[in-house]
Amino acid sequence: EVQLVQSGVEVKKPGESLKISCQGSGYSFTTYWIAWVRQMPGGGLEWMGIIFPGDSTTKYSPSFQGQVTISADKSINAAYLQWTSLKASDSATYYCARYGRGMDVWGQGTAVNVSS
Amino acid sequence: DIVMTQTPLSLSVTPGQPASISCKSTESLLHSDGRTYLYWFLQKPGQSPHLLIYELSSRFPGVPERFSASGSETDFTLRISRVEAEDIGIYYCMQSRQLPYTFGQGTKLDIK
Repeated sequence: EVQLVQSGVEVKKPGESLKISCQGSGYSFTTYWIAWVRQMPGGGLEWMGIIFPGDSTTKYSPSFQGQVTISADKSINAAYLQWTSLKASDSATYYCARYGRGMDVWGQGTAVNVSS
Repeated sequence: DIVMTQTPLSLSVTPGQPASISCKSTESLLHSDGRTYLYWFLQKPGQSPHLLIYELSSRFPGVPERFSASGSETDFTLRISRVEAEDIGIYYCMQSRQLPYTFGQGTKLDIK
């Protein structure tokens, strides 16, 4: 079964760093792009960026460029989204999705709560 | 960025009745390769989004036949021929013709 499994709920304070993960299985992880999507509480979907795990080519939305870092470790079939200094406004659910025929496989989402 | 605008933002439908959602883009989503990079997703309550339609009008495997989609370069429509209770949720269109990829605001469908 093709699936993406994301890391669990995170509760952090402003200024802390964070790295969440997305583990792929059931397919050739290095040959499909992985996208990250933000959903703020009660909000819609926002496309953040995309990475090709085969060579780590990464493209960011200008809205998120410089705010987050997308990376991948192809040796363990994992993609990552990380922050160096969280803000309260980073509180959201973050989804990873495989880009096959469109974003055809989604992770279950990682909820991030940033509060003092 | 390409802006995606959905209408309506919400609709309430009686089971068995049809429904349609419009999505308009500020630029053509037709690529020189002949494909139109427009997608439709459904996010059911409490769940991750899932893909319904890819490349304008192709139903993703497992998606019921009551879902169909059509459109041209900038105007797109998702149709549900006979709405069922399980179709409730928020529908999103998305373009991947040009970076950054962008979503519509979402259309919330509920059952009367």
